[in-house]
Amino acid sequence: AQRVTQPEKLLSVFKGAPVELKCNYSYSGSPELFWYVQYSRQRLQLLLRHISRESIKGFTADLNKGETSFHLKKPFAQEEDSAMYYCALRRGGNYQLIWGAGTKLIIKP
Amino acid sequence: DSGVTQTPKHLITATGQRVTLRCSPRSGDLSVYWYQQSLDQGLQFLIQYYNGEERAKGNILERFSAQQFPDLHSELNLSSLELGDSALYFCASPGAAHEKLFFGSGTQLSVL
Repeated sequence: AQRVTQPEKLLSVFKGAPVELKCNYSYSGSPELFWYVQYSRQRLQLLLRHISRESIKGFTADLNKGETSFHLKKPFAQEEDSAMYYCALRRGGNYQLIWGAGTKLIIKP
Repeated sequence: DSGVTQTPKHLITATGQRVTLRCSPRSGDLSVYWYQQSLDQGLQFLIQYYNGEERAKGNILERFSAQQFPDLHSELNLSSLELGDSALYFCASPGAAHEKLFFGSGTQLSVL
């Protein structure tokens, strides 16, 4: 079955500490993975695509096919990183995304 | 601003009723995707339209239907509403480069 798992519903870390939001997927084909973020009172927006291999707002994510993971990392958390983070899997060429349940990240001052 | 517009922002109605949610995709985008976000089911893909035609269906109930009009705006019709239909309904369009989805701000539906 195709599935995206985000094991942590809530993650709370102190400002300046490293952050890792976990995402595991189950998919038999070649996945395309995304991290979307939803800041308070704002709409969902793309944070990262694994294809781009970029760093956005200090966040990086590497696709590990062996472990079927796409964890989101940031070495030094900032208060403005507090938000809901969703990992999503794209099947095929369209955007019928399969979503993880989301992780609420709280950065404590 | 993502360029995707959804109305209304909030909708409160009673069980058994019917509502219509409206979405205008980004200028020039032919595709519209509808998603449902609920507390128990999380985010789920409902349906996709492309240039007026249904392209893909996800976990959409038979009580729900959608259409896309010649001006490319889309409507999601929810009928015989139940308490469990209370959710945030998003629409999204993929942009010219199809690199990502641009989301609307959502319609919060409350069924009482």
